Amino acid sequence: DTGVSQDPRHKITKRGQNVTFRCDPISEHNRLYWYRQTLGQGPEFLTYFQNEAQLEKSRLLSDRFSAERPKGSFSTLEIQRTEQGDSAMYLCASSPLKGLSTEAFFGQGTRLTVV
Amino acid sequence: AQTVTQSQPEMSVQEAETVTLSCTYDTSENNYYLFWYKQPPSRQMILVIRQEAYKQQNATENRFSVNFQKAAKSFSLKISDSQLGDTAMYFCAREGTYKYIFGTGTRLKVLA
Repeated sequence: DTGVSQDPRHKITKRGQNVTFRCDPISEHNRLYWYRQTLGQGPEFLTYFQNEAQLEKSRLLSDRFSAERPKGSFSTLEIQRTEQGDSAMYLCASSPLKGLSTEAFFGQGTRLTVV
Repeated sequence: AQTVTQSQPEMSVQEAETVTLSCTYDTSENNYYLFWYKQPPSRQMILVIRQEAYKQQNATENRFSVNFQKAAKSFSLKISDSQLGDTAMYFCAREGTYKYIFGTGTRLKVLA
């Protein structure tokens, strides 16, 4: 297992287009998180999955954003009708539900540029 | 509000010197985890050190140590013998319910 994997690493899209990102967490990690990070800022929480259930969603997340985690494995984050303000790094992280280790393990992120 | 505050946007330190990064947080819980993450330029975020709130002993990982003051809700990171590879953004974080809450980060530059 090589860690949290995100695809694509970079995405350039025109305003108004839809985009979808994929995250493959560390196997056996029940918890999966999506964050958004803009330049020079800390990661901002978007949503949380425990297995396949989406248990938390940020109030900052507009209805253009949707995330899924079918079968509790990989997750996708879709942004519909992209806007320039959506340009950011989208980070995925995972962590185990039980055990001593509770830190989140992060992927390398998907950098989205909306032109 | 659940907040994590890092009041030092940027810091610099000479190679081999010691530097301390500050962090304060807000919580109403009695037991929780705190973390320092490092994000090198254009690279992924990795864990530097973690602290469980009920443990009074400050965590240490090689050149990295923390000063955890529970009553003051303060969690500073000390980097000893700074190396050029320590140049990065450093984020303080607290584990909350269903999320990790991050500060705005401190950009650390180690000078040769």
